[in-house]
Amino acid sequence: QKEVEQNSGPLSVPEGAIASLNCTYSDRVSQSFFWYRQYSGKSPELIMSIYSNGDKEDGRFTAQLNKASQYVSLLIRDSQPSDSATYLCAVIRKIQGAQKLVFGQGTRLTINP
Amino acid sequence: DARVTQTPRHKVTEMGQEVTMRCQPILGHNTVFWYRQTMMQGLELLAYFRNRAPLDDSGMPKDRFSAEMPDATLATLKIQPSEPRDSAVYFCASGLVRDGRGVTDTQYFGPGTRLTVL
Repeated sequence: QKEVEQNSGPLSVPEGAIASLNCTYSDRVSQSFFWYRQYSGKSPELIMSIYSNGDKEDGRFTAQLNKASQYVSLLIRDSQPSDSATYLCAVIRKIQGAQKLVFGQGTRLTINP
Repeated sequence: DARVTQTPRHKVTEMGQEVTMRCQPILGHNTVFWYRQTMMQGLELLAYFRNRAPLDDSGMPKDRFSAEMPDATLATLKIQPSEPRDSAVYFCASGLVRDGRGVTDTQYFGPGTRLTVL
């Protein structure tokens, strides 16, 4: 089982709709969770972080965390063509005494005009 | 505005050659990370440093890879000898650890070095 799992997609969503991206993680003691966006040929950039169960909203983005189910998601409301990118879920894991950021494979999202 | 810089942006080399990639972290950041990204494996952590000291390099093939921070403004990743399977995009990221926490919340990524080993 991978430490952080995402559906690789591609996920196609019409413009203006809600895009829903999902991620599961294997380490039950993980406490910090992040969503990065990566445009083709570019580097990842942080868009959301979440640490507590529930929802966290930032503009059109909402991150949702359920630690009991080991599940974190990202919702993008009123999706725009500029949201088309690969979205990487990342989790902090303690490995061999050090804390590391472990990334999922990413979900490729396409917003269709 | 403050950014992580990486050089070179692209490198094509032949198998067996030495490759050196350089990274300048954001001024004031005390943690530097090296990642490798491929289609098959995704984004993998190779090594990271805090206050220039290597904290972990367990993700790095030790026989051919080495990572150093000669000073606070420069991190290097070397591959010697390079192999075709090393072809990937190598990202450097920097961040700031405060209050004794282990990992920065926000890692700022550089533009990457696209390495092709023929």
